[in-house]
Amino acid sequence: KNEVEQSPQNLTAQEGEFITINCSYSVGISALHWLQQHPGGGIVSLFMLSSGKKKHGRLIATINIQEKHSSLHITASHPRDSAVYICAVRSVLTGMRFGAGTRLTVKP
Amino acid sequence: GAVVSQHPSRVICKSGTSVKIECRSLDFQATTMFWYRQFPKQSLMLMATSNEGSKATYEQGVEKDKFLINHASLTLSTLTVTSAHPEDSSFYICSARQSGNTIYFGEGSWLTVV
Repeated sequence: KNEVEQSPQNLTAQEGEFITINCSYSVGISALHWLQQHPGGGIVSLFMLSSGKKKHGRLIATINIQEKHSSLHITASHPRDSAVYICAVRSVLTGMRFGAGTRLTVKP
Repeated sequence: GAVVSQHPSRVICKSGTSVKIECRSLDFQATTMFWYRQFPKQSLMLMATSNEGSKATYEQGVEKDKFLINHASLTLSTLTVTSAHPEDSSFYICSARQSGNTIYFGEGSWLTVV
C-alpha cells in the first residue's frame, strides 16, 4: 500500500465548477505539500501545511492531522488550472513521499 | 520570492557518457537539497537527500555510484549520472529546503540518453 494515496486519479470538470482533490497518508508527518505539475514538467509548490487551512486566491488546502487527510479545493475552476496535482508528505522517518497525482482537466 | 534554478533544462547524451545537472538556490542558503526522478506518467520518486558538506543519503534502490551527488556549498548541489544508459532517460528535479519546512522546486531537467 502506498504511504500517500490520492483520489481521484483523473478528474474532468467544466469551467466554473468547484473541485476537490483528496490525499490520505499513513505515516506521521511534519508537513504536507500540494504541488502543481504542468505538462512541461515544471512543478510549482502551492501550499505547505502542518495544520488547519490555507487559502491562496481560488485555492484552498485543508489538513486533518488526526485523520491523516488533506484536501485541495479549487473554486471557480478555469482551463488554466488543468495540470497534475500532487500531494507530498514529509516524514522524519521516511523523508519525502509522493502521491501518484491527480490529472485535472478543466473544459471551457 | 525564493527561486531554485536547474541547469540544463534539457540534455541529450550518448550512452556510456556522464552528464551533470546543477541545482542552485538563488536567493537563500539551502542546507538540504533533494533530487527526484520522474519517469513518464509516473509519480515523482525521491532519489537522495543532500546535506551541505556531507555525503548524500540515497533512497533504497538508487545506486550511489551511478548517481553522484555533490553538495559543496549552501547554494549548489550537482547530480552526475555516470555511464548513462537509455533507461536513465527521465525527468530529474531538485528541490531545496529553506529554513524550517519550506521547500522550493527547480524547473527540472529532461535527460535523454541515446
